[in-house]
Amino acid sequence: NAGVTQTPKFQVLKTGQSMTLQCAQDMNHEYMSWYRQDPGMGLRLIHYSVGAGITDQGEVPNGYNVSRSTTEDFPLRLLSAAPSQTSVYFCASGAYRAGNLVYNSPLHFGNGTRLTVT
Amino acid sequence: DAKTTQPNSMESNEEEPVHLPCNHSTISGTDYIHWYRQLPSQGPEYVIHGLTSNVNNRMASLAIAEDRKSSTLILHRATLRDAAVYYCILKSYNTDKLIFGTGTRLQVFP
Repeated sequence: NAGVTQTPKFQVLKTGQSMTLQCAQDMNHEYMSWYRQDPGMGLRLIHYSVGAGITDQGEVPNGYNVSRSTTEDFPLRLLSAAPSQTSVYFCASGAYRAGNLVYNSPLHFGNGTRLTVT
Repeated sequence: DAKTTQPNSMESNEEEPVHLPCNHSTISGTDYIHWYRQLPSQGPEYVIHGLTSNVNNRMASLAIAEDRKSSTLILHRATLRDAAVYYCILKSYNTDKLIFGTGTRLQVFP
């Protein structure tokens, strides 16, 4: 049981380059989300999705795009990387039903992608 | 959105109990209290959650105040492996956003 898989584990970009962080889950979860975590800080929500074709913004969405074409995958795109986007990115998934995150179902997190933008 | 307040850091000795507090004075009646922890260089992992009654599982216990304005995560016997950042989060009925604060960094000494 793989859970939530994030690739790559590490990435270095130059300012202005683009890239896609991949996230896949095998738990048939409808809810998926992306967080970033800056050094010594808590997690901040970037974007989330409650099902295929549905996405919404979190606390810090600027500079990031997402799409959700399948239940399993939720890629995060940086169109023009900036040094301020240097961070560790975590993807999470959870059960979702009847318009709400299931109360007693936890979020499952991947192990993160460490991104450095120079 | 209802917010939580936690101490920045706490210390414990190995094999002693640890009580991690969380204040959530603006909690609403339908908000669930969730706790996650993040070990070094890993993603957060679920610990426990509750609504009104105290809860126990194999990892920890959750004590919820009668007025629900605060809660305490209890690790009955701390181990070195429990050194982590612990996050107290409110899961609100009317939002799909799970917002993390800065958490409490727990240090455990041998």
